[in-house]
Amino acid sequence: QSALTQPASVSGSPGQSITISCTGTSSDVGRYDYVSWYQQHPGKAPKLMIYDVTHRPSGVSSRFSGSRSGNTASLTISGLQAEDEADYYCTSYTVTSTFVFGTGTKVSVL
Amino acid sequence: QVQLVQSGAEVKKPGASVRLSCQASEYSFKTHHIHWMRQAPGLGPEWMGIIFVGDAGIEYAPKFRGRVTMTRDTSTTTVTMDMSSLTSEDEAVYYCAREMPGSYRFDSWGQGTRVIVSS
Repeated sequence: QSALTQPASVSGSPGQSITISCTGTSSDVGRYDYVSWYQQHPGKAPKLMIYDVTHRPSGVSSRFSGSRSGNTASLTISGLQAEDEADYYCTSYTVTSTFVFGTGTKVSVL
Repeated sequence: QVQLVQSGAEVKKPGASVRLSCQASEYSFKTHHIHWMRQAPGLGPEWMGIIFVGDAGIEYAPKFRGRVTMTRDTSTTTVTMDMSSLTSEDEAVYYCAREMPGSYRFDSWGQGTRVIVSS
């Protein structure tokens, strides 16, 4: 199972919006509504930010939103803040009953 | 507050085995499956497998079948993962994570255990 493809880095100025893509296949991202996004600060465990493609857990800022088109899911961060600087990973359930993670995207706030 | 507390860092020689633990608290242990992931330096997490805590069923990622064993102890609310035949490629931070029923999302994670493999 190949990792989902994400851009290595995305940057933006405070207040701007950025979008991170996550490209898989019809066997994972395009097949199930089980795409999640995780934020990870250095030395910390990942934190769930989006689940089931578009749903946001309680306590997560409404500035974070998810979407999907075909085999590509996306995470959008609006009103970018310094605290959003972190690594972001997508993950999807797959047709073989396993999970695959993305390659990861480093978000920088300029 | 849900807690998953993992065991401490391990230093092992190539070819050795390692046992990692993950103790859960502040929720109903049997109602949530536990997953294990690992993250090598500079890379994204890698899914290793799941233990269905309620009935002890297990699914391993193909890459780890035959080398990884997951178990659970409901009396101590602890999940354990054993990995054998360690190589330098197994150097990583290992995480346990709780799955929310019905949606395949990992809503709580342990703090991670660093495993170093060095001769």
